[in-house]
Amino acid sequence: EDQVTQSPEALRLQEGESSSLNCSYTVSGLRGLFWYRQDPGKGPEFLFTLYSAGEEKEKERLKATLTKKESFLHITAPKPEDSATYLCAGYSGAGSYQLTFGKGTKLSVIP
Amino acid sequence: EAQVTQNPRYLITVTGKKLTVTCSQNMNHEYMSWYRQDPGLGLRQIYYSMNVEVTDKGDVPEGYKVSRKEKRNFPLILESPSPNQTSLYFCASSPVGETQYFGPGTRLLVL
Repeated sequence: EDQVTQSPEALRLQEGESSSLNCSYTVSGLRGLFWYRQDPGKGPEFLFTLYSAGEEKEKERLKATLTKKESFLHITAPKPEDSATYLCAGYSGAGSYQLTFGKGTKLSVIP
Repeated sequence: EAQVTQNPRYLITVTGKKLTVTCSQNMNHEYMSWYRQDPGLGLRQIYYSMNVEVTDKGDVPEGYKVSRKEKRNFPLILESPSPNQTSLYFCASSPVGETQYFGPGTRLLVL
């Protein structure tokens, strides 16, 4: 059974304090790993797609990386507006295109 | 503007009263999907559709129905809602195998 586990469940950072969020997966034949940002009561907003180990993508203060077993979302010098829940999801491509989501990491950035 | 829309955004109903939540996308995507999101359980897929007239069950299909008569629309039907279907529902769409884009969500309360 495909599984995606995110850690930590919650993270509090001071503004400017860099850190990383972890997403470990056991998705057989992983075809893609997605990162989303979700604000309370809103739909997930797409951030990155990673397809192969060693791949990295950046957007403003965020950088996503992928290894054969896990993905990291690095947040450099975060600001309060980066506070949100960050979700990762794996896709095996085994016919159904079903995404398996982790439960998310709730990030709070304190001014 | 490329988007996924859902209606209604908020709904309070009573047990057993049939309801439909509509989902529409204007991006000509083949793939559409419904998820529910509950505290501590994350996003779970209810049903998905790979194209018109092609639908299949996700992880939690019990108590739900869907149809895909047109490419742009993918309504979610609750024929006899129960309190355990109280949740936040999201519709998503994408080209097959690519990034899924989510709607704004429908918050449902079943009394």
